[in-house]
Amino acid sequence: NAGVTQTPKFQVLKTGQSMTLQCAQDMNHNSMYWYRQDPGMGLRLIYYSASEGTTDKGEVPNGYNVSRLNKREFSLRLESAAPSQTSVYFCASVSGSSEQYFGPGTRLTVT
Amino acid sequence: QKEVEQNSGPLSVPEGAIASLNCTYSDRVSQSFFWYRQYSGKSPELIMSIYSNGDKEDGRFTAQLNKASQYVSLLIRDSQPSDSATYLCAVSNSGYALNFGKGTSLLVTP
Repeated sequence: NAGVTQTPKFQVLKTGQSMTLQCAQDMNHNSMYWYRQDPGMGLRLIYYSASEGTTDKGEVPNGYNVSRLNKREFSLRLESAAPSQTSVYFCASVSGSSEQYFGPGTRLTVT
Repeated sequence: QKEVEQNSGPLSVPEGAIASLNCTYSDRVSQSFFWYRQYSGKSPELIMSIYSNGDKEDGRFTAQLNKASQYVSLLIRDSQPSDSATYLCAVSNSGYALNFGKGTSLLVTP
């Protein structure tokens, strides 16, 4: 089992460009989350999906959109990238007992 | 504001010693508690979960929970240089969110 996979691993964007970060899990979990991690700020929740067909905002949703494509896949879209969105993005798959399992991350730089 | 507090460190311990990592939380209704290990440039990895007061042991790791004091700790026995990482404490009140601390950096010196 791959667990949680994320693509791409690295990305450089220019301000104003758009991109989609992909996440997939094979753990049969209902819930999936997107975080960003910045130095000194810790992990901050962007959006989450408690089950297929539902999505909700987290702590820092501005500038992002998400799609829960099916039970396995949860994507994060940046419509118009800004330098403030330079960060490491982690997707997590969440068990019924709230244990979160993280993907390897996407390192995004916006210039 | 639900907060999870950790000393940022670095906590330096010699190889073979016990490393003690501490975490306090502000939300009294918290029910689930987790420790994650994060190596530099890598993603967080779940190493321990604890849900009731007392100790939970898994190999060289022991998690301790005291809900009355709103305190959770992680002990690492026989510390190895490979244990050098940042350790994140996370707390859930069974709602949607895990509240993460900012982590404690552990350095195990040979």
